[in-house]
This record gives sequence, C-alpha cells and structure tokens, in this order.
Amino acid sequence: NAGVTQTPKFQVLKTGQSMTLQCAQDMNHEYMSWYRQDPGMGLRLIHYSVGAGITDQGEVPNGYNVSRSTTEDFPLRLLSAAPSQTSVYFCASSYSTSLAGELFFGEGSRLTVL
Amino acid sequence: RKEVEQDPGPFNVPEGATVAFNCTYSNSASQSFFWYRQDCRKEPKLLMSVYSSGNEDGRFTAQLNRASQYISLLIRDSKLSDSATYLCVVKTGGGNKLTFGTGTQLKVEL
Repeated sequence: NAGVTQTPKFQVLKTGQSMTLQCAQDMNHEYMSWYRQDPGMGLRLIHYSVGAGITDQGEVPNGYNVSRSTTEDFPLRLLSAAPSQTSVYFCASSYSTSLAGELFFGEGSRLTVL
Repeated sequence: RKEVEQDPGPFNVPEGATVAFNCTYSNSASQSFFWYRQDCRKEPKLLMSVYSSGNEDGRFTAQLNRASQYISLLIRDSKLSDSATYLCVVKTGGGNKLTFGTGTQLKVEL
C-alpha cells in the first residue's frame, strides 16, 4: 500500500532557484494539501485542494504555487527559493473534503535553501 | 493567544506510568478534535479522534471539555514505544482548515 508518496525526500537549493515537490496518492482521496513544519511551530497549511481543478490558499501561501490536474497528483512549486523556505514539507490527503476524518501524510521532504 | 496551545514538554516518565497531556484551543466554534502522533523525523499519524462523550482506545483515553476549551490525552501503562511527540489538532468552522499545536514530547524511560 503506497498511500501518499512524496519526492524528493531531501533537497538543497540555492537562493533564487525553483523546484517542484511531487506528491501522489493512490487512495482516490479528493482532499489534498501541503504543510510545512518548522521548529517550535505547528504544521502550517500552504495550499490545499478539494478535487481536480480546484485549489485554494492556506495560511502561508506566498512563494508557492500548486495545481491539481488529476485526483492523484498535487505538486508544490517553489518559484524562487529563499532561505525562509528551509523547512520540512508534508503532503497530506483525506477522503473527507470537510476534514472530518483522518489526514494521511507522506514521509516528508526536507528542503534546505542556502 | 495561539489558536491551539500545548505544553512542549518533554515529559519524562518511567515505563508503566500514567501520563496526561492537555491542549487548549481559543475558538469556541471549534468542531472537531484529534490527537496525532509524530515519531522523530517521521510524518504525523492519527492516534485518535476526540468525541464529545470522550473515547478510549486500549491504553489511550481522549476527553473534550468544551466549557473550558481543552482536550486531553491520557496514556496508561506507558511503553517505551509510546515515546513520540503528540500533536493536538483542531478543526474550526466550515472551512477546510486544521490548526495544529506545536506538540508535546513524551519520553518513556526504563
């Protein structure tokens, strides 16, 4: 059972570079989301989607773009990386678009921006 | 005031002990409540949902106190494998947004 798969697991970028974090789920979940986790702070929502073709901003969307062309995939794009984007990024999905149920997380992607 | 607040710990307890964590939330309109567990350098995983009437799953008991706006997690007969960070998660309103606490770290020792 693959669940939620994120790639890459580790990445080092230079300031100004762009990259895409990939996220795929095989559970046919409508809801998908991206969080970042920083020391001393709770997970913070970046962007989310309640279905293919539908995306919306979360708490900390600046500097990130998303798209949802299929139910399975929800990539997160960093447009011009900054040191403040050094973080651990988690993709999460849920069968419930109202978030009444469990969120399933990927293993995380550790990003360092120099 | 933070929307969701937790004591970061760490709580260091001997094996077999009973330990309890509280989590306070600021928005009285909050609707759903969860405890997630996160092992070091791993992803969060759902431990249990918290129901108004309280609920129990083996050694774990979760309770909700709406009047005082807090939820609690009680772990009985602690095991070494219970060592982790426990995240309090709250859903408020009709939006698709969960607010995560910063977590409480538990260390169970021999």
